[in-house]
Amino acid sequence: QQPVQSPQAVILREGEDAVINCSSSKALYSVHWYRQKHGEAPVFLMILLKGGEQKGHDKISASFNEKKQQSSLYLTASQLSYSGTYFCGTEISGNTPLVFGKGTRLSVIA
Amino acid sequence: GAGVSQTPSNKVTEKGKYVELRCDPISGHTALYWYRQSLGQGPEFLIYFQGTGAADDSGLPNDRFFAVRPEGSVSTLKIQRTERGDSAVYLCASSLNPGVGGYTFGSGTRLTVV
Repeated sequence: QQPVQSPQAVILREGEDAVINCSSSKALYSVHWYRQKHGEAPVFLMILLKGGEQKGHDKISASFNEKKQQSSLYLTASQLSYSGTYFCGTEISGNTPLVFGKGTRLSVIA
Repeated sequence: GAGVSQTPSNKVTEKGKYVELRCDPISGHTALYWYRQSLGQGPEFLIYFQGTGAADDSGLPNDRFFAVRPEGSVSTLKIQRTERGDSAVYLCASSLNPGVGGYTFGSGTRLTVV
């Protein structure tokens, strides 16, 4: 089943923070986060495995709440280069293909 | 190669024709995935290969779609009797260990059926 992402779209000024959420109705094994710029391929950001871990990647971090089957992506002090569509992909067990959400369109303006 | 290569990058075909889309994954990546993406949507799963065999083909929409990976590297997605609804960007991804490094996607093939 497709995970639900929110919000659908967000506009930020440079330096502002944002949170993107990804929820599933099924128990999850892992959550992946990808960013896709217009006309380009999705690019892997990070993976979170069940166990409720949190990860960071420069000023982008994420958490995974196993009990709620929810992951959140945190973008702090946003930069123009953060603009794009963010997708979460969920996996219900190891070695099963990812099911992607519909994406969250992030626009960072000067 | 350095990345996942997909050819052609664009394909325009007439309704009813047969098309083949090619994916050359990163060398050594045993897992290969095909997705398709329509405008404003997330990638939609089609089929997953582990080595030469299709581990999961549950996403193929109907029997007009077929994919092979005969030697465990290059894969070809084949679509027979194309329909206008098949128009989309077809993405291929590969992975060495999805649970660690995620997927590496190719730039996709934009298929337009006229």
